[in-house]
Amino acid sequence: QQQVKQSPQSLIVQKGGISIINCAYENTAFDYFPWYQQFPGKGPALLIAIRPDVSEKKEGRFTISFNKSAKQFSLHIMDSQPGDSATYFCAASGAPGSGNTGKLIFGQGTTLQVKP
Amino acid sequence: DAGVTQSPTHLIKTRGQQVTLRCSPISGHKSVSWYQQVLGQGPQFIFQYYEKEERGRGNFPDRFSARQFPNYSSELNVNALLLGDSALYLCASSPVQNSGANVLTFGAGSRLTVL
Repeated sequence: QQQVKQSPQSLIVQKGGISIINCAYENTAFDYFPWYQQFPGKGPALLIAIRPDVSEKKEGRFTISFNKSAKQFSLHIMDSQPGDSATYFCAASGAPGSGNTGKLIFGQGTTLQVKP
Repeated sequence: DAGVTQSPTHLIKTRGQQVTLRCSPISGHKSVSWYQQVLGQGPQFIFQYYEKEERGRGNFPDRFSARQFPNYSSELNVNALLLGDSALYLCASSPVQNSGANVLTFGAGSRLTVL
């Protein structure tokens, strides 16, 4: 119940294409779903996040789609650029009193390579 | 403004030794969390401290301990090191105890290699 499962493990996309990364969770107490981007030698940096009361959130080229009934959420990167090449992690955390407050449960990560 | 700073950036220890990792949060941030990131995996939660008190602990053995100081900086200690402790140790800070909506800002991490 504590896991967040992420796929695919790796992804290669041509410049200008759409990158799609999927995550699934089991714990219905989760109420915050961020995506983090990590470059080699750096810590993860928050990219975009969503709460379960909305089905989609868009920030620039990055969109989160959220399906509460399926307990799934995904990251779409439109017009992918070589500079987007990084490892992406989905994560989840819980509402106050849920026992999961204060910690993020991360997926296994997706290594994205955008070819010029 | 300085982000989350961690030291040392890299260190090598041998099995059985002890290590102390340090973290300075963003100015004004009172909550510090520690995560372990094994190569090729996502970060795993170790501890959260808020206002100098432990507010959460992940599934790690008692060899792992931490503390937070009055200036909100933090130390992570690992005793009796095992080969499996080799990882990137990440510190993250947030303004308040995470309610599920607060942004965690991560440092660049301390890379620990245990030989």
